[in-house]
Amino acid sequence: EVQLVESGGGLVKPGGSLRLSCAASGFTFSSYSMNWVRQAPGKGLEWVSSISSSSSYIYYADSVKGRFTISRDNAKNSLYLQMNSLRAEDTAVYYCASSNPLDTAMVTWGQGTLVTVSS
Amino acid sequence: QSALTQPASVSGSPGQSITISCTGTSSDVGGYNYVSWYQQHPGKAPKLMIYDVSNRPSGVSNRFSGSKSGNTASLTISGLQAEDEADYYCSSYTSSSTFYVFGTGTKVTVL
Repeated sequence: EVQLVESGGGLVKPGGSLRLSCAASGFTFSSYSMNWVRQAPGKGLEWVSSISSSSSYIYYADSVKGRFTISRDNAKNSLYLQMNSLRAEDTAVYYCASSNPLDTAMVTWGQGTLVTVSS
Repeated sequence: QSALTQPASVSGSPGQSITISCTGTSSDVGGYNYVSWYQQHPGKAPKLMIYDVSNRPSGVSNRFSGSKSGNTASLTISGLQAEDEADYYCSSYTSSSTFYVFGTGTKVTVL
């Protein structure tokens, strides 16, 4: 069964840091691009970042550029999101999602992990 | 990069057909056949329903169909069922400095 499981969410103060992880199983992780998408409470989906299968291509939303870093470890079937200089507006459920072969859609999604930025 | 524009809500009776629009620009929806649609039930993760404008992943009901004309993509749900009540989001590849952009989301209510 294809599965993505996020972890690492929690409560953090403004200006703090947090590292999210996403463990993949049931598919050849190293062959597919991966993504982070977030959803603020009661709001819509917002694309955050994408990374190609070999980490050669990395993209960020303007709202997180310079503060967040996406990475992956294909040997460990894991995706990461290092979040620094966190702001209240970063409060959201963060989903990891795998791309289809042509990177045109997000096929499989994890259950999400909640990040709350508050003093 | 602004979000793609969707109607806030659409409703229909069981058995009817409804259509959700998704309007972008020539830099995203209009420029590429890379529009996808996601269904999200409350408290759940999104689920891919349509990719590349009109393709259905395996296991998705053929009551769901997608199309595109110019800068506007559409998702049609035919034979509306109670289980279709959910939020729906479109998404597109974009040639802007970002990579993907989502729509504002549409709440579908089955009357």
